[in-house]
Amino acid sequence: QVQLVESGGGVVQPGRSLRLSCAASGFTFSSYGMHWVRQAPGKGLEWVAVIWYDGSNKYYADSVKGRFTISRDNSKNTLYLQMNSLRAEDTAVYYCARDRREVGVVAATLDYWGQGTLVTVSS
Amino acid sequence: DIQMTQSPSSLSASVGDRVTITCQASQDISNYLNWYQQKPGKAPKLLIYDASNLETGVPSRFSGSGSGTDFTFTISSLQPEDIATYYCQQYDNLPVVTFGPGTKVDIK
Repeated sequence: QVQLVESGGGVVQPGRSLRLSCAASGFTFSSYGMHWVRQAPGKGLEWVAVIWYDGSNKYYADSVKGRFTISRDNSKNTLYLQMNSLRAEDTAVYYCARDRREVGVVAATLDYWGQGTLVTVSS
Repeated sequence: DIQMTQSPSSLSASVGDRVTITCQASQDISNYLNWYQQKPGKAPKLLIYDASNLETGVPSRFSGSGSGTDFTFTISSLQPEDIATYYCQQYDNLPVVTFGPGTKVDIK
């Protein structure tokens, strides 16, 4: 069965960096686009970034553009989110999620989600 | 940017009640709308895609309808396990997506 397991969260000071990972299993990882979505404590869902199945295209929410970088290693079935210049408002649970469409342009329909990893930005 | 609104923001209903949530887009998004369920402390789960298609394995008491700017999500007979927050999500301006603010559903 499809499984997505995030890791790498923790407490970090403002201005510092953190890299999240999402280990995928149970499907052909290299065939699917992948997303990061976050949720601040007690708040709603906010889409963060997407990467095409082959890594050829990447898009970001305006709130993280220029600070966060999404990437993937298809040989390791792993998705990453490099987060630089972190701010207090980046505090959230970060979820990785699979795009529904296999190969091609993403469908932006997220059919499987990980359990999330908490990032806390605080001095 | 496309803005999404949902109403109500929260509701309480009795077991067996019909529950309806509306989602409105700030511009025409055709049928490019999904619905997710998020139970407390859990990850979201896809329920409805393309406005009205039931995801595999999702109970048939859940349904969605609408197109353009106005959409409806319905639980035909509320069950205790349906306690959750429900989010709509548009994907008209791919690949950027936007979620609605959510509707919290409780049992009365």
